[in-house]
Amino acid sequence: QKEVEQDPGPLSVPEGAIVSLNCTYSNSAFQYFMWYRQYSRKGPELLMYTYSSGNKEDGRFTAQVDKSSKYISLFIRDSQPSDSATYLCAMSLFSGLYNQGGKLIFGQGTELSVKP
Amino acid sequence: DTGVSQDPRHKITKRGQNVTFRCDPISEHNRLYWYRQTLGQGPEFLTYFQNEAQLEKSRLLSDRFSAERPKGSFSTLEIQRTEQGDSAMYLCASSSLSGNTIYFGEGSWLTVV
Repeated sequence: QKEVEQDPGPLSVPEGAIVSLNCTYSNSAFQYFMWYRQYSRKGPELLMYTYSSGNKEDGRFTAQVDKSSKYISLFIRDSQPSDSATYLCAMSLFSGLYNQGGKLIFGQGTELSVKP
Repeated sequence: DTGVSQDPRHKITKRGQNVTFRCDPISEHNRLYWYRQTLGQGPEFLTYFQNEAQLEKSRLLSDRFSAERPKGSFSTLEIQRTEQGDSAMYLCASSSLSGNTIYFGEGSWLTVV
């Protein structure tokens, strides 16, 4: 079993829809959670970063972390065709202040297509 | 802020040849990471540096792989005696020492034929 599980999709939605992307994980020690967006043949772009449980909002994007369920989500409101990409969740055990900080464990990525 | 820069962006090589990739991190970042990503998968951690010290290496990093970061600035990743299974995108990333936000470059695509 992988440490981080993510449905690869593909997920297809109409423009304007609310998109929900999710990851589950097995290691309860993960403390830092990120979402990256990756366009085809490009590097991952950091979208959201959260620490521990709770919600974080940035424009049309909301990240949620539920450590009790080992479940994280990314919501995209008013989705646009330009949001079509692969979304990667990633998580880390330690703060950047520690020697092991920054070693990210990624999910497989969910391919999202937003149709005009 | 010029971001993380990687070179070359694409490399096609014959099996058995050596290849080297270069990464220039964001200038004020102490930490530099190398990841590998194959089609349909998320990136996998290979190794990372804090300044010039290589602090961790994944078991994915076989003896044919070597990474350096002289003087704590740019880094190189060399693959010796390439195999077809080495075909992947090699991603470099960097972060500050105290931050948890890690920024990736555009990647270097390797095709071994």
